[in-house]
Amino acid sequence: AQTVTQSQPEMSVQEAETVTLSCTYDTSENNYYLFWYKQPPSRQMILVIRQEAYKQQNATENRFSVNFQKAAKSFSLKISDSQLGDTAMYFCAFMTTGNQFYFGTGTSLTVIP
Amino acid sequence: NAGVTQTPKFQVLKTGQSMTLQCAQDMNHEYMSWYRQDPGMGLRLIHYSVGAGITDQGEVPNGYNVSRSTTEDFPLRLLSAAPSQTSVYFCASGTGPSYEQYFGPGTRLTVT
Repeated sequence: AQTVTQSQPEMSVQEAETVTLSCTYDTSENNYYLFWYKQPPSRQMILVIRQEAYKQQNATENRFSVNFQKAAKSFSLKISDSQLGDTAMYFCAFMTTGNQFYFGTGTSLTVIP
Repeated sequence: NAGVTQTPKFQVLKTGQSMTLQCAQDMNHEYMSWYRQDPGMGLRLIHYSVGAGITDQGEVPNGYNVSRSTTEDFPLRLLSAAPSQTSVYFCASGTGPSYEQYFGPGTRLTVT
């Protein structure tokens, strides 16, 4: 069975500080894709960052970067220089070669001014 | 481009009623999918399609039907609504190889 676990239901961070959201997953496949999505109060799901499992280099996208540890099946998201607009639910997800997506239960992040 | 559109935005149904949630995308994406989002459960895949005429079941398909007659449209049918289907429904589309999902705005469905 494919599962995604986000063990931090809620987190907070001071504006301009750095925060790391954790995600672990379980799959028997070797090739897959990993994602972080953001869901602000507007409810719209927005792609934050993507990582291909066959790439060892960690993906970065401006203030967002990941720490991908394939052997440990870990995929954490680091947000640097946190901004008020980063307040949202964050979902970790992965897609298997069977074209199915699996999402975690989310981490609610609050950026404190 | 409008991206992914969903109608309606809100819907209230009585138990046993049927209805169709509409989803359309104008990005020529081959992959389309439906999810439900429940509190504390994240998003769960209901059905997905990798192209016109091809559909498959996701994690929670029971009580839902889909079809994909065109690349653009992927409607979700509730055959006989039940209170357990009260949820927020998201449609998404994507293109290969990772099919990263572009989401619609969601439909909040309440079944009484």
